[in-house]
Amino acid sequence: QQQVKQSPQSLIVQKGGISIINCAYENTAFDYFPWYQQFPGKGPALLIAIRPDVSEKKEGRFTISFNKSAKQFSLHIMDSQPGDSATYFCAASLTGANNLFFGTGTRLTVIP
Amino acid sequence: GAGVSQTPSNKVTEKGKYVELRCDPISGHTALYWYRQSLGQGPEFLIYFQGTGAADDSGLPNDRFFAVRPEGSVSTLKIQRTERGDSAMYLCASSLAPATGGNSYTFGSGTRLTVV
Repeated sequence: QQQVKQSPQSLIVQKGGISIINCAYENTAFDYFPWYQQFPGKGPALLIAIRPDVSEKKEGRFTISFNKSAKQFSLHIMDSQPGDSATYFCAASLTGANNLFFGTGTRLTVIP
Repeated sequence: GAGVSQTPSNKVTEKGKYVELRCDPISGHTALYWYRQSLGQGPEFLIYFQGTGAADDSGLPNDRFFAVRPEGSVSTLKIQRTERGDSAMYLCASSLAPATGGNSYTFGSGTRLTVV
């Protein structure tokens, strides 16, 4: 059973455009929602994370939007660049748990 | 070291053989995690160490999988009687304290295991 559902599976965006990746979860006890970026042959690297007490968090070109009532959260990449081309994973965890539950990933390609 | 180091980066083995995958966490990180990432999927939790002890091994798929961390630093994931379905990227991560909804992991680059 997939704890975190992610879409789309792949995404192609023009340079300068906005990339949007969506995730949904079922467990209302989740209280930490990170996004990871993974380049081929590398491990995932933390990009940005949010807790459910805020609806939005912005770091540079990356923004997480969080909708607690809908149990959804999304990653927005503004002014997308070719260097952003990677696979992005959303994840969720809860205080007291020992692991993260990852989505299935979105392969982003930014075309120059 | 500066990051989480995993060796080997690639391992090809024959079905039925035994393999060991090594993880060297960031110095001082007491928490260590193993995840498995199948092609086109997100990482899935296998086991978590706090210090030398396996605090949570609920993600290990069966008794062919075992992991140790005898001195609280380097960890080895051991797979017996490998099967083709074990082919995946095995990721190790470490953190300063248990990453329970707060602290972030630092992942290594993984070991790509292929069972032929």
